[in-house]
Amino acid sequence: SAVISQKPSRDICQRGTSLTIQCQVDSQVTMMFWYRQQPGQSLTLIATANQGSEATYESGFVIDKFPISRPNLTFSTLTVSNMSPEDSSIYLCSVSQGGPTDTQYFGPGTRLTVL
Amino acid sequence: GESVGLHLPTLSVQEGDNSIINCAYSNSASDYFIWYKQESGKGPQFIIDIRSNMDKRQGQRVTVLLNKTVKHLSLQIAATQPGDSAVYFCAENRDSGYALNFGKGTSLLVTP
Repeated sequence: SAVISQKPSRDICQRGTSLTIQCQVDSQVTMMFWYRQQPGQSLTLIATANQGSEATYESGFVIDKFPISRPNLTFSTLTVSNMSPEDSSIYLCSVSQGGPTDTQYFGPGTRLTVL
Repeated sequence: GESVGLHLPTLSVQEGDNSIINCAYSNSASDYFIWYKQESGKGPQFIIDIRSNMDKRQGQRVTVLLNKTVKHLSLQIAATQPGDSAVYFCAENRDSGYALNFGKGTSLLVTP
């Protein structure tokens, strides 16, 4: 399985500011995803990060709030923009090799607290 | 919309006993299911998966059972150990194929 790292591992931010989260994989992967996990809850998909093109966002998530980049097959960033306390969550990057039944592996997550 | 859900939010078992975590899904078109384990402060860790053309799959101390008739998935952990204490999520791939739809999660607590 791929080794996935995320930076930062945690951060405390002031409302109105933005934070960019990085996801790095140790090998090339076809698919990269970003999920949000609110406190004590399950995972919700934010978007699929597409290499070389705009990300595909799920209902309820928009590019202005969560811009995503994927410049190559091993790296992606998620920015949480104009943060409010409701954005306090764990943000998780996941990867797979591309088939619908290929296993998705997750990074360690970024724990974000917005004051 | 389609959803994946869990029957029990918490499960407490004694060390050495077997654990069974259940999951119901509503999308009859789902063809891939995964169980993840999430320890506190960590990302979800893959445990085992099963495709819809199978009824049962075994791993090391874990077994996943799939009943497509009643759209039910279960994870069995044999000889549960303290290190098994975590939140367990079931997930299914969506109609579009790649992204996963996660259930609510079951917290497993193993007591000595």
